[in-house]
Amino acid sequence: AQSVTQLGSHVSVSEGALVLLRCNYSSSVPPYLFWYVQYPNQGLQLLLKYTSAATLVKGINGFEAEFKKSETSFHLTKPSAHMSDAAEYFCAVSEGNQGGKLIFGQGTELSVKP
Amino acid sequence: DTGVSQDPRHKITKRGQNVTFRCDPISEHNRLYWYRQTLGQGPEFLTYFQNEAQLEKSRLLSDRFSAERPKGSFSTLEIQRTEQGDSAMYLCASSSAVLNTEAFFGQGTRLTVV
Repeated sequence: AQSVTQLGSHVSVSEGALVLLRCNYSSSVPPYLFWYVQYPNQGLQLLLKYTSAATLVKGINGFEAEFKKSETSFHLTKPSAHMSDAAEYFCAVSEGNQGGKLIFGQGTELSVKP
Repeated sequence: DTGVSQDPRHKITKRGQNVTFRCDPISEHNRLYWYRQTLGQGPEFLTYFQNEAQLEKSRLLSDRFSAERPKGSFSTLEIQRTEQGDSAMYLCASSSAVLNTEAFFGQGTRLTVV
């Protein structure tokens, strides 16, 4: 069965600092992996996705993530945090195809201090 | 195309009442998903349609919940005899199996049962 674990329900960084949000997954088949961002009372917006091509994936707003099969990880990073990055971030996994049912982690709330 | 549309955005209802939500997917998308998100948690899968066929239902979808997608276009999610525990954000997503796209989410319907 698939599962996703996000380490740290809340992460706080200073503006300009490195952002690192951790995600580990469990999947019985090669997974499709996603990071979504959610602003208050809004839906989910796709930041980036891994679909078995390059292991380093670049997304929108300067975010990127690296797929590491040996560590079953897909951590999200951004070199320099901006105040507008403050939001809830969700890691998700899908088996079989990238448009399939998603299993989400519990989310990480990112706060950015001025 | 304006993306996935959900209506209403917010719904307040008294316990015991029935409510119905509507989701209009992206027009060329044949897959449609419903998820439920409670406060501080990641979205949880409820049910999935491919065209008009409901192919999978989660154990979370009790007998009080019913979803339809009669013509393979828009979908409705009805909750009968609402309970306070039904208070959540209900998210709809769509994807295309033909185009092999990822899932695109709507803005969600926030349900509050009082």
